[in-house]
Amino acid sequence: DGGITQSPKYLFRKEGQNVTLSCEQNLNHDAMYWYRQDPGQGLRLIYYSQIVNDFQKGDIAEGYSVSREKKESFPLTVTSAQKNPTAFYLCASSPNDRLQPQHFGDGTRLSIL
Amino acid sequence: RKEVEQDPGPFNVPEGATVAFNCTYSNSASQSFFWYRQDCRKEPKLLMSVYSSGNEDGRFTAQLNRASQYISLLIRDSKLSDSATYLCVVASGSARQLTFGSGTQLTVLP
Repeated sequence: DGGITQSPKYLFRKEGQNVTLSCEQNLNHDAMYWYRQDPGQGLRLIYYSQIVNDFQKGDIAEGYSVSREKKESFPLTVTSAQKNPTAFYLCASSPNDRLQPQHFGDGTRLSIL
Repeated sequence: RKEVEQDPGPFNVPEGATVAFNCTYSNSASQSFFWYRQDCRKEPKLLMSVYSSGNEDGRFTAQLNRASQYISLLIRDSKLSDSATYLCVVASGSARQLTFGSGTQLTVLP
């Protein structure tokens, strides 16, 4: 079945540690996105990529980094510079077509130890 | 003013009721509109796209009013399984960035 796989489902970060969240899709979508969701709030865009080897900052990119070496993969690193990383992280993908919606993975919950 | 605004609710309705949600957006150049459903602690899932002429999918009807810059979602004959948070989503710009509303929480009561 085609879809988006995020791992791990739950992740704990120690102070000063970088952690990487995985996102893989087999939908052959060109565009991939990372969002952060805090309780009771909407999704906020961290980074997005419309093509391999290219990505753009979203609204809240500080403290995060990404790479897009393969079409299928768009990992997100939460660096130690992100002082409030506890949130629900969602990866999405879509074709590069403005009429097409985005489809989401089932998310990673990140907490601070 | 937020780019996409929704009434957060909660809306508590009995089974079988009809309920309507509205959403306003500020960017008049917005191009695509969607309603997503999000269950507690789960990812958002596409409920339906919203077309200019309005569209219906079973018990769900979505409408778009570009002049007033709002979209609506009508749910008829509510089921217990409709309980969720409904997210209004607007796509703008050449990069097709999506802007999400904060969501409207619906609880359908037996």
